[in-house]
Amino acid sequence: DIVMTQSPDSLAVSLGERATINCKSSQSVLYSSNNKNYLAWYQQKPGQPPKLLIYWASIRKSEVPDRFSGSGSGTDFTLTISSLQAEDVAVYYCQQHYSSPWTFGQGTKVEIK
Amino acid sequence: QVQLVESGGDLVKPGGSLRLSCAASGFTFSDFYMSWIRQAPGKGLEWVSYISSSTTYTNYAESVRGRFTISRDNAENSLYLQMKSLRAEDTAVYYCARLPRGCAGDCYLDSWGQGTLVTVSS
Repeated sequence: DIVMTQSPDSLAVSLGERATINCKSSQSVLYSSNNKNYLAWYQQKPGQPPKLLIYWASIRKSEVPDRFSGSGSGTDFTLTISSLQAEDVAVYYCQQHYSSPWTFGQGTKVEIK
Repeated sequence: QVQLVESGGDLVKPGGSLRLSCAASGFTFSDFYMSWIRQAPGKGLEWVSYISSSTTYTNYAESVRGRFTISRDNAENSLYLQMKSLRAEDTAVYYCARLPRGCAGDCYLDSWGQGTLVTVSS
């Protein structure tokens, strides 16, 4: 199984400041034949289901604010919130769908400092 | 808009069985792969199973293989998860989720339901 490890487990950021979450996979999730990274990011607010933010490592879902961005390739990925807003308080998960079983990172809790 | 509504969660004794349902609306259900994901209380996300649009292909996490069966009824726009030999560690909120159009079992999950709680306890 591919192990997904996120860092940090939690972070507190001031409103308007940048938040950066890292995700590392135990093996590459880059499929060479199509040059796609099989990596997605989800946001889960308290009491709500997860919501897709980013897919193929860097493509933002249409209704997601552009302060959210994803980057990285192979085994190392980053989710960046460029200017943290109060409504961004949530747990963020990365997920690999390169191979079965699909696996998620343990989650990173983002709070306001 | 896309709507996924799970039901069937309940308190069940260890060794018992339960069937979860997910009613889909707002899209052509038969065109999409579907999946179940679970989340134990206060814990992270765990993929459980997925099924192809035509029911030809299914896949399961090792932790549930042989005990859980995923199925769907495209005429009823419904997804199911039959769970048997339930254990305490199966206690979780179970989410129904959709893969994007045109994706097989190698895609992300673009829409999620609100979830239904399964509690396995004596």
